[in-house]
Amino acid sequence: DADVTQTPRNRITKTGKRIMLECSQTKGHDRMYWYRQDPGLGLRLIYYSFDVKDINKGEISDGYSVSRQAQAKFSLSLESAIPNQTALYFCAIGGRGAADTQYFGPGTRLTVL
Amino acid sequence: GENVGLHLPTLSVQEGDNSIINCAYSNSASDYFIWYKQESGKGPQFIIDIRSNMDKRQGQRVTVLLNKTVKHLSLQIAATQPGDSAVYFCAEKTGDYKLSFGAGTTVTVRA
Repeated sequence: DADVTQTPRNRITKTGKRIMLECSQTKGHDRMYWYRQDPGLGLRLIYYSFDVKDINKGEISDGYSVSRQAQAKFSLSLESAIPNQTALYFCAIGGRGAADTQYFGPGTRLTVL
Repeated sequence: GENVGLHLPTLSVQEGDNSIINCAYSNSASDYFIWYKQESGKGPQFIIDIRSNMDKRQGQRVTVLLNKTVKHLSLQIAATQPGDSAVYFCAEKTGDYKLSFGAGTTVTVRA
């Protein structure tokens, strides 16, 4: 987990507020991902990026936006938070080449009231 | 004890016994699979992976088996320990560098 850090680790906010979750990595990997995890469900992909200038939507991108500020930094924003965005959010990184393994950060627990 | 066959959301195992966690995947074209372990309050941790040109791969106390005919993946943990209590997820590569995750199996180790 030390290779990928996420801030904040916990956040409680109110409906309608703008929230930014940040992710940084020290491995120099090109690929970065944002996932959401809900109780009883697997991880679902929100957005991913293969490079600083590359941003792609995942399966549940509505209500979210991202920014790849540098190779090492990938932030996720909720422009106007709503209660059903209450979840665990994970950032992951992946390397170049044939190995498609993704390594995850420690997660951010977000609660929207 | 061991559980084989259908995917179960929970598995209770006696300390020292072997565990088998099952996963059915959806895409017959998937060529890469990973098992992750997620402990409470932590992110998923890579355990072991396998490519579709293999049927079996072994790590330290863990073995992954792949049956492409029935699209089934299993994780075997030898001599299960209390520290193995966690949620275990399988993942398949479903597109360019994207992974699709199963719902997970919660493993509880009884002392």
